[in-house]
Parts: sequence; structure tokens; C-alpha cells
Amino acid sequence: GESVGLHLPTLSVQEGDNSIINCAYSNSASDYFIWYKQESGKGPQFIIDIRSNMDKRQGQRVTVLLNKTVKHLSLQIAATQPGDSAVYFCAENSGVSNAGGTSYGKLTFGQGTILTVHP
Amino acid sequence: SQTIHQWPATLVQPVGSPLSLECTVEGTSNPNLYWYRQAAGRGLQLLFYSVGIGQISSEVPQNLSASRPQDRQFILSSKKLLLSDSGFYLCAWSVNIGNTQYFGPGTRLTVL
Repeated sequence: GESVGLHLPTLSVQEGDNSIINCAYSNSASDYFIWYKQESGKGPQFIIDIRSNMDKRQGQRVTVLLNKTVKHLSLQIAATQPGDSAVYFCAENSGVSNAGGTSYGKLTFGQGTILTVHP
Repeated sequence: SQTIHQWPATLVQPVGSPLSLECTVEGTSNPNLYWYRQAAGRGLQLLFYSVGIGQISSEVPQNLSASRPQDRQFILSSKKLLLSDSGFYLCAWSVNIGNTQYFGPGTRLTVL
């Protein structure tokens, strides 16, 4: 659900290490998930998404894993760099897809995780 | 390609003054539009969303209002600002409700 009023969890890693950021979602009907990266003073940027008919999707240096059994989403960042330092948000769409594949639910954002990469 | 703009980038206003923040989207038609607020060190709070001109849905009761006078323009307003209205205001758009939302650069509002 929305994270108003909560302080964000933090993750600190060394440059070059792999980072894993986790997100738990509550709605088993959610069928679409997104990870965003938000740098200080900027708007969130889309990183990668995944649909519920998949359990893994890879991008450039990032991998998203979806475990529907335990309603868990993770973002893995390989060879983390100082430029990866940011707040990372997961978002879920709990809408119902029609035959055309369009979802009509609203996005619900997780509370966010602060990633700090030390040189 | 689509782009989203917000202005002003920063704003300092006294308590009790009015507010008008503007968001415009280019490169798409009939987008769904959203206003979020983000307090320092916090997550995103959805304030309003709109699926079309003149159609506004409010998510939380508050001192703010939203309007959509044109297809690609979304405005956030207040008649009298409160200290608690300070925050980072983000506008976003999507093709459909529930699909990927793309965010603008945000407006940093400080109410003194």
C-alpha cells in the first residue's frame, strides 16, 4: 500500500557489489509490477517492469524477480556503481485485464528503499 | 516521444497564500494524469488523478484541488496554503490507469 508516514529502509553496498532490493506486495490479484529509481531532487524514473505471467526479467545490469507464491518482488543490480545511489520504489497494478491485455487498476507504490553505494 | 513538464521547479510561499502548479504533457493524446506529493524521506502519496478533461478523482481529503482544463494540462491549486502543504509535488502520466506512469521533474514547495 502507500507509504505515507513511513521512514524509508536503507541499503548500503560497496561499488562493484551486487545489490538486491526487496518489495512485498499485498494484493494477489496484482498482475503488473514496476521498479522506479528516484535520484535526489528528481522525479522517479522507470527502470524495468514485469507481468505476472513471468517470474524473471532482465535488463541492462538489472534483473527483476517475481515470486507470486509469497507475493515478493526483488530488483537485482549487478556491479553496483555510485550512480546507482537513489531511492528505489516498486509499484503494483492490481487491476483486471481485459481480453485486449489492458489493465484498469491504479498503481500502488511501495514505501521505497534508499540505496547508497560507497566507492 | 512523450515529455512531461512541470513548473515552477521550486516555490517558496507564505502560509495562507494561493497556489497554482502546472503540469503539461507533450507527444500523446488523452493521457491519464496524476498528482503526487512526497514529503522529505517518504514515499509517494497519490493526491488526484484524471482520465479526461474535466474529470478529477481525489484520493485523500486535503487543502488542495486539481483541474484539467485541457487534454494535456493538469493543474494543482490551493486557495490558502498550510505549513503541512510543503513537499515535493510530482505529476505523472500514463496511457491507461494502472499501466506504467512516467513522472515529471517535480516542484519543490516550501510553505513558510
